[in-house]
Amino acid sequence: RKEVEQDPGPFNVPEGATVAFNCTYSNSASQSFFWYRQDCRKEPKLLMSVYSSGNEDGRFTAQLNRASQYISLLIRDSKLSDSATYLCAVNMRGNTPLVFGKGTRLSVIA
Amino acid sequence: GAGVSQSPRYKVTKRGQDVALRCDPISGHVSLYWYRQALGQGPEFLTYFNYEAQQDKSGLPNDRFSAERPEGSISTLTIQRTEQRDSAMYRCASSSTSLGELFFGEGSRLTVL
Repeated sequence: RKEVEQDPGPFNVPEGATVAFNCTYSNSASQSFFWYRQDCRKEPKLLMSVYSSGNEDGRFTAQLNRASQYISLLIRDSKLSDSATYLCAVNMRGNTPLVFGKGTRLSVIA
Repeated sequence: GAGVSQSPRYKVTKRGQDVALRCDPISGHVSLYWYRQALGQGPEFLTYFNYEAQQDKSGLPNDRFSAERPEGSISTLTIQRTEQRDSAMYRCASSSTSLGELFFGEGSRLTVL
């Protein structure tokens, strides 16, 4: 089983739709969780951290389910500009570098 | 500079040559990371430093790969006797703490012919 797994997609959704991605992780002792966004031919950039209680930033909501070992990202009212690859990243154990998933590609269509 | 700077942005080399990729992190950032990213994949961890100390090099594929950060700022990733399978985007990232947000550079795209 890979350490961090994501559905590669692509997810093709119309503007205004709600879309959700999941990311599973293998190590139950993992401590920190993040979603990064990567535009085509660009570097990854932090979208949001994922807290145990869940967190929201505008149209984006991130949640952590420790029992089932997954994190999720929900995007409401999708915009064309949301088209990108979304990478989840996990610290598998304390003070270790982030392990990234392969990314989920989202295309928002007009 | 304001962000993480990597050079060269593009490097084409012949199989068997050595290459050195440079990373200049955000000023004052303690931690510096090297990742490798193949097309359609997420970044794959190679090695990282806190200040000048290499903390973890478990991701380096083999002993042809090495990295240093002698003064705790600029880092160099060196690949000796390059092979075609080394072709990839090499990304450097820095962070103000060992578990903080990673800020990535634009990457160095290596092509080995």
